[in-house]
Amino acid sequence: AAGVIQSPRHLIKEKRETATLKCYPIPRHDTVYWYQQGPGQDPQFLISFYEKMQSDKGSIPDRFSAQQFSDYHSELNMSSLELGDSALYFCASTPRLEQYFGPGTRLTVT
Amino acid sequence: AQTVTQSQPEMSVQEAETVTLSCTYDTSESDYYLFWYKQPPSRQMILVIRQEAYKQQNATENRFSVNFQKAAKSFSLKISDSQLGDAAMYFCAYSPKGNQGGKLIFGQGTELSVKP
Repeated sequence: AAGVIQSPRHLIKEKRETATLKCYPIPRHDTVYWYQQGPGQDPQFLISFYEKMQSDKGSIPDRFSAQQFSDYHSELNMSSLELGDSALYFCASTPRLEQYFGPGTRLTVT
Repeated sequence: AQTVTQSQPEMSVQEAETVTLSCTYDTSESDYYLFWYKQPPSRQMILVIRQEAYKQQNATENRFSVNFQKAAKSFSLKISDSQLGDAAMYFCAYSPKGNQGGKLIFGQGTELSVKP
């Protein structure tokens, strides 16, 4: 069965650089969620999209932006990176109820 | 605001035995969803089981079952016949009910180790 795809899997950036994380949901899933999981922490909700429109927003810094495209894939854009942005970033997709997570993108900011 | 609390940072179980992981939550909503997710060392988040708040019957998935006490706002996970592959971090999660589903609010997690 198809799963959620995230790219890249690993990313190393320097402070003040920008990063773009991509998420390809399971086919026919119209809702995408982004979560951030810091070291030793639980995942924290960042933002979600339903049918290409933002549906909810969590603790996402103003330096971050995201969108969902016509093919339902989503991108999380992160600018002016800080050391504290180092984390595992998950994308999850759902047709309605259960969220299926991708493998995550590990971002390291040096 | 909804919150989820897992008061057991670590648990340990002998292989083939049973273990129960605790979770409590706080919400003013009457209809919502609860989940248990497993995160093994690979860090992949894997759905273990889900419970719909309006259903009184406790959910069961093979060796995994829940004890859902709505009035007490308690949602524990029981793992029977524990296997080495069950070793992982387990997260309890709450989701509000909505037309497009809802964001997951996670507890702090319980690290489960399985002893051979």
